[in-house]
Amino acid sequence: NAGVTQTPKFRVLKTGQSMTLLCAQDMNHEYMYWYRQDPGMGLRLIHYSVGEGTTAKGEVPDGYNVSRLKKQNFLLGLESAAPSQTSVYFCASSWTTKNTEAFFGQGTRLTVV
Amino acid sequence: GENVEQHPSTLSVQEGDSAVIKCTYSDSASNYFPWYKQELGKGPQLIIDIRSNVGEKKDQRIAVTLNKTAKHFSLHITETQPEDSAVYFCAASRAGGSYIPTFGRGTSLIVHP
Repeated sequence: NAGVTQTPKFRVLKTGQSMTLLCAQDMNHEYMYWYRQDPGMGLRLIHYSVGEGTTAKGEVPDGYNVSRLKKQNFLLGLESAAPSQTSVYFCASSWTTKNTEAFFGQGTRLTVV
Repeated sequence: GENVEQHPSTLSVQEGDSAVIKCTYSDSASNYFPWYKQELGKGPQLIIDIRSNVGEKKDQRIAVTLNKTAKHFSLHITETQPEDSAVYFCAASRAGGSYIPTFGRGTSLIVHP
């Protein structure tokens, strides 16, 4: 049981380049989330999904897009990377029927130069 | 929306001492309060949680207390060990909505041997 897997673990982008971060979960969770973690800022929600085919904006959605074409996958896209998007990105998933814990991936460290 | 404040941002203790981390929340409808531990280079992992119908919960050396009237909850770690050194996050969420947790900014706990 792999839990939540993020790909890639590290990436360096040049300003203006695009990329997609992949999150996969094998726990049949309905809810999936993308967070960014910056020093002193904690975990800030970028986008989330409450089910296959649905997405919604979180606290800091600008500059990012997401898709949830399959229940087990949640993709985070950066169309034109900016240095301000240098961060550690975490994907998480959870059940929907009651408040339960969120399971996190191991993170993706992204540097935009 | 929900707002979670967490204090202190950094906590340094000697091995064997107790550590207390405090969080306040703003949404009186919040009813689920998890605590996550994030070790270096890893994603956050649930260590304990409490629901609004309970005032205190213990699990070996860790305990969480909840004061619904004052809208604050705390994490208590007794007999701290060097392996307790990590970043700790509190979170709050509520049923009836999208269950999306709001996180505090984190506390970096350092346990000196």
